[in-house]
Amino acid sequence: EAGVAQSPRYKIIEKRQSVAFWCNPISGHATLYWYQQILGQGPKLLIQFQNNGVVDDSQLPKDRFSAERLKGVDSTLKIQPAKLEDSAVYLCASSPFSYTYYEQYFGPGTRLTVT
Amino acid sequence: GQNIDQPTEMTATEGAIVQINCTYQTSGFNGLFWYQQHAGEAPTFLSYNVLDGLEEKGRFSSFLSRSKGYSYLLLKELQMKDSASYLCAVLDSNYQLIWGAGTKLIIKP
Repeated sequence: EAGVAQSPRYKIIEKRQSVAFWCNPISGHATLYWYQQILGQGPKLLIQFQNNGVVDDSQLPKDRFSAERLKGVDSTLKIQPAKLEDSAVYLCASSPFSYTYYEQYFGPGTRLTVT
Repeated sequence: GQNIDQPTEMTATEGAIVQINCTYQTSGFNGLFWYQQHAGEAPTFLSYNVLDGLEEKGRFSSFLSRSKGYSYLLLKELQMKDSASYLCAVLDSNYQLIWGAGTKLIIKP
């Protein structure tokens, strides 16, 4: 079974530039999560999708971050414009369902450096 | 507010046993997860507890006391490859996962 795919793995941009990350979840997984993980901290949920609908985006800085999951499969997360404090690893995870216990399967992450 | 507390860092010796504690205060409880995260890598699932007691899985065991808001992860026969961060996460009443900051475990020979 193929795992969660993410690209790019690394990205360096200057502040005020834009960047986009891509995630392809495990086939058949209805729920997709985007997390931000700053060095030395636990993951922080940015947005959760159930199929192509948003379940929770309460911690997404909507003035600069946006995410979509067209057709309920792969997803993109965009930052526009980036700030220095956005430097972090962006993790995508998927699970079969959201409203019961299922472990989350994480992709390798995208390490973003904003200079 | 919701809060999960774990020690920031722990050190143990190869071959020994270590216990990593996690205390939580969340709005509701639907289970507690432990994940392992090696430096520069994504978290991987270790265990899930929803009922009180001890769950054993090979060298790793996880314990839960819901009345005390407390869990621990027990690692036996430590190996160098166990050097990693261990993340405690609680599924709250809305089935949202609340993550702790993680405990960095350093294994010395």
